[in-house]
Amino acid sequence: NAGVTQTPKFRVLKTGQSMTLLCAQDMNHEYMYWYRQDPGMGLRLIHYSVGEGTTAKGEVPDGYNVSRLKKQNFLLGLESAAPSQTSVYFCASSKANTEAFFGQGTRLTVV
Amino acid sequence: GESVGLHLPTLSVQEGDNSIINCAYSNSASDYFIWYKQESGKGPQFIIDIRSNMDKRQGQRVTVLLNKTVKHLSLQIAATQPGDSAVYFCAEKSNTGGFKTIFGAGTRLFVKA
Repeated sequence: NAGVTQTPKFRVLKTGQSMTLLCAQDMNHEYMYWYRQDPGMGLRLIHYSVGEGTTAKGEVPDGYNVSRLKKQNFLLGLESAAPSQTSVYFCASSKANTEAFFGQGTRLTVV
Repeated sequence: GESVGLHLPTLSVQEGDNSIINCAYSNSASDYFIWYKQESGKGPQFIIDIRSNMDKRQGQRVTVLLNKTVKHLSLQIAATQPGDSAVYFCAEKSNTGGFKTIFGAGTRLFVKA
């Protein structure tokens, strides 16, 4: 049972480039989340989804877009990467009111 | 003792002692609370949870206490082991908040052998 899988695990982007981070879960969870974690800091919610075809903004949504075309997948897009988006990105999934399960993270560096 | 570091509060304890990690949550409407453990280079892992109709819940070596009056959570780890060294986060959920999980700032626990 894979749980939550994130791809890629590492990426270096130049300022202005675009990329998509993929999150896949095999637990049939309704809820999926994208967080960013900066060094020595907590996790901040970027966007989340309460079901297939729905998305909502979290605490720090600017500069990111998301899509949930399939229940098992939640994509995070950066249209024009900026150095301030250098961070570790975590995807998570959960049932409505239970604990979230996290992926292993994607380390993104924007130069 | 507990001290405030550059970003994360830090707690240093001797192996075998009990640890208490505290957390203040923000939303009085939150009705579900979770403690996560994050080891270096890994994603957060679930430790224990508690719902707002309870004030205490025990697991294996861990206990969570909830004080809704002052919006405070604590995680108690009994007989702390070197493998407990990690960053600990509390998180809150509310059905009025669309069940999104909001994390607290985290506490780094160092266990001295």
